[in-house]
Amino acid sequence: QVQLVQSGAEVRKPGSSVKVSCKASGGTFSSYSISWVRQAPGQGLEWMGRIITILGIPNYAQQFQGRVTITADKSTSTAYMELSSLRSEDTAVYYCAEGDFFDHWGQGTLVTVSS
Amino acid sequence: QSALTQPASVSGSPGQSITISCTGTTSDVGSYNLVSWYQQHPGKAPKLMIYEVTKRPSGVSNRFSGSKSGNTASLTISGLQAEDEADYYCCSYAGSSTLVFGGGTKLTVL
Repeated sequence: QVQLVQSGAEVRKPGSSVKVSCKASGGTFSSYSISWVRQAPGQGLEWMGRIITILGIPNYAQQFQGRVTITADKSTSTAYMELSSLRSEDTAVYYCAEGDFFDHWGQGTLVTVSS
Repeated sequence: QSALTQPASVSGSPGQSITISCTGTTSDVGSYNLVSWYQQHPGKAPKLMIYEVTKRPSGVSNRFSGSKSGNTASLTISGLQAEDEADYYCCSYAGSSTLVFGGGTKLTVL
């Protein structure tokens, strides 16, 4: 059974960057597809991008192109999502999710952007 | 990439059936049988309920079913129960290794 454990809550100032981690266990990390999905307070789910770990090549949603970087470290079975040029609208819970159909989710990481 | 269109809310009484629609375009829902549905209770991570339009993961009740016609996918919940009250999201493959979610639907069990 795949388990995803994310890093803890973060507070950042506008204009800065944040990097959230997602450590996987219980499966074969090199065959994973890890996506990042965010949810602003009271809002819906938004797909940000994903990485297929065996390829190491990320794909990003158009609205995040240039601001998000998704990477994977096979040696530690950990995926990362870094979002730059933060603004208040980026305040959200950020989830990692595994699989083509997101059958496993991390617990979520609250990122608060505030001056 | 525009979000898929879902009704903001639906409601039903216990035992009834409800259907939630998810309308996309020929670039996403209409072109691929890769629609999934997620249930999310407040403060919790989403849970996969349906994938590849009609398939149910192990452990998901057979009261949940999915379908698709043209650019619109649907989730039907039969025999509505109190614990079904939650937010529901559809998601579709949108080409070029990208995905798109619907705006979400709040289900109220009366």
